[in-house]
Amino acid sequence: QSVLTQPPSASGTPGQRVTISCSGSSSNIGSNTVNWYQQFPETAPKLLIDSNNQRPSGVPDRFSGSKSGTSASLAISGLQSEDEADYYCAAWDDSLNGWVFGGGTKLTVL
Amino acid sequence: QVQLVESGGGLVKPGGSLRLSCVASGFIFSDYYMNWIRQVPGKGLEWVSYISSSGSFTNYADSVKGRFTISRDNAKNSLYLAMNSLRAEDTAVYYCAANRVTHDAFDIWGLGTMVTVSS
Repeated sequence: QSVLTQPPSASGTPGQRVTISCSGSSSNIGSNTVNWYQQFPETAPKLLIDSNNQRPSGVPDRFSGSKSGTSASLAISGLQSEDEADYYCAAWDDSLNGWVFGGGTKLTVL
Repeated sequence: QVQLVESGGGLVKPGGSLRLSCVASGFIFSDYYMNWIRQVPGKGLEWVSYISSSGSFTNYADSVKGRFTISRDNAKNSLYLAMNSLRAEDTAVYYCAANRVTHDAFDIWGLGTMVTVSS
């Protein structure tokens, strides 16, 4: 049971816009920034969105993040087949004094 | 280039011990906090432990507290995880990951090393 809650799956057709939600609590998302990671099968996760909405160098601007209260969202616009991957949200938790992750969302491009 | 390479994984019996290593290159290791994050194959990510850049501060997930010990040697650009009293539920791919300070995102990840706890 993950501390942060994500839908297990999401899907869209090429060119579409999809969003993935991440729900937490006051001790994590409510008081700290949210990061998003992208993971392809058999590879390590890669930082996709930093500090709620900052894209590291090299991440296409099709990817965007937002946060409101104790929830956050990852949006992917102009969906492409190569976006098919697992996506994880993460935040520092002040109560646990450690990091918490969402359970991950498997994105399928139809 | 910027790189983290883990080693030390393998098959171990329940109750056994294992020591993982992670060697850094391409960045100033001593400037970064370091973490261990694990992933059961086919499942999600779980943060395991962190250590501050100097090694003065550490913390652990409740699931491993008292059994795992994180340490680092900045002179050798190396991070370690000593794992004792291993259980079947510790079976996972273990990643080392770097961030600038505790609350920062993990912007450098290793490739992972597989730990299997089974009789």
